[in-house]
Amino acid sequence: QSALTQPRSVSGSPGQSVTISCTGTSSDVGGYNYVSWFQHHPGKAPKLMIYDVSKRPSGVPDRFSGSTSGNTASLTISGLQADDEADYYCSSYAGSYTSVFGGGTKLTVL
Amino acid sequence: EVQLVESGGGLVQPGRSLRLSCAASGFTFDDYAMHWVRQFPGKGLEWVSGVSWNSGRLSYADSVKGRFTISRDNAKNSLYLQMSSLRAEDTALYYCAKDLRSRFLEYLPYAFHIWGQGTMVTVSS
Repeated sequence: QSALTQPRSVSGSPGQSVTISCTGTSSDVGGYNYVSWFQHHPGKAPKLMIYDVSKRPSGVPDRFSGSTSGNTASLTISGLQADDEADYYCSSYAGSYTSVFGGGTKLTVL
Repeated sequence: EVQLVESGGGLVQPGRSLRLSCAASGFTFDDYAMHWVRQFPGKGLEWVSGVSWNSGRLSYADSVKGRFTISRDNAKNSLYLQMSSLRAEDTALYYCAKDLRSRFLEYLPYAFHIWGQGTMVTVSS
């Protein structure tokens, strides 16, 4: 159960797009289509933004999209807004009824 | 409104025990798996443990296996985490989380849909 690898920080200007990567192994990200992404504003509860690699829960804008390629999952946020500034975490099913998170990425909207 | 309220956190000495509780409301509790996820002071998240809707499947992170026990009481709409042999590295904010997938799908922990506000556990002498 090693943590998934995410960049520590990314940044973008309002209106631009940013992509956050999440690299695992064939035992987690690469082995299952069960990847989720969470947005976490400090002091608030984390929010599920993407599940099953690319599906959005009700209420999540379509500016948020997900994908995978091999052992790497990606979250793309288009049309950046100030309120998108937050920490983002990926998670993946890791087999044997366990889950693993990424280390988190701080998104700064310039 | 779906709501999860954790309680039971606090300051505890290494080697001692603590029991966390999570009160759920606003949804049919026994339709969903439930989980505990913790956030370390350095901000990283770690899935701790999960339980299927009927307690038929329980699972744990390697870091807590053998020390923590998850349970649920569907009649009371409550989730619990019994923590024993606590260590300094267990210091974290503990969140209760509702699974996205209903009981009609296989128990697979990864889609943590609704989270509580968390309860802080500090392990220190």
